[in-house]
Amino acid sequence: NAGVTQTPKFRILKIGQSMTLQCTQDMNHNYMYWYRQDPGMGLKLIYYSVGAGITDKGEVPNGYNVSRSTTEDFPLRLELAAPSQTSVYFCASKPRGQGYEQYFGPGTRLTVT
Amino acid sequence: ILNVEQSPQSLHVQEGDSTNFTCSFPSSNFYALHWYRWETAKSPEALFVMTLNGDEKKKGRISATLNTKEGYSYLYIKGSQPEDSATYLCAYISNSGYALNFGKGTSLLVTP
Repeated sequence: NAGVTQTPKFRILKIGQSMTLQCTQDMNHNYMYWYRQDPGMGLKLIYYSVGAGITDKGEVPNGYNVSRSTTEDFPLRLELAAPSQTSVYFCASKPRGQGYEQYFGPGTRLTVT
Repeated sequence: ILNVEQSPQSLHVQEGDSTNFTCSFPSSNFYALHWYRWETAKSPEALFVMTLNGDEKKKGRISATLNTKEGYSYLYIKGSQPEDSATYLCAYISNSGYALNFGKGTSLLVTP
């Protein structure tokens, strides 16, 4: 299994541009998540999904959109990029159930200038 | 948003020292408590998933305990090694939620 994969690894955007961060998992996990990591602030949840066709907002959803058309894929869309969206973005997945850990992707480092 | 607090924020110990960190979380509606190890420039990796009050889990020199009634968990590292240097995250999930609520982490530096 490849686990959770994310593309791209790095990206520089100009203010106002848009892009999609890709996330794929091959473990047939129901739950998928997008986080951003800001220095000193830990991980903040942007959006999550409990299954194909179902998404919900996390703590910091403004400026982002997601979709979940398949179990495997959970892309994160940035519309009209702003400098405040400069961050490292992590995708994660988890099986449904109480005792299961969450698996993280390698992260995407995004800079908006 | 459910508050998960971790202390200390950072810790610097000498090789061979034993150390421990604290994670506090809401004691009501408990579902599970996770511990993750996060090395610089990598992604977090799970250490433990704890679900029962009184749980104790161990992996090598690292162990964790859980008290759901009072809302805290301890992570212990025995005989710290430089390779233990990382940020240790705890995360809580309630029985009415689907997402982990992460603390800000404890950053551990172990020097030879």
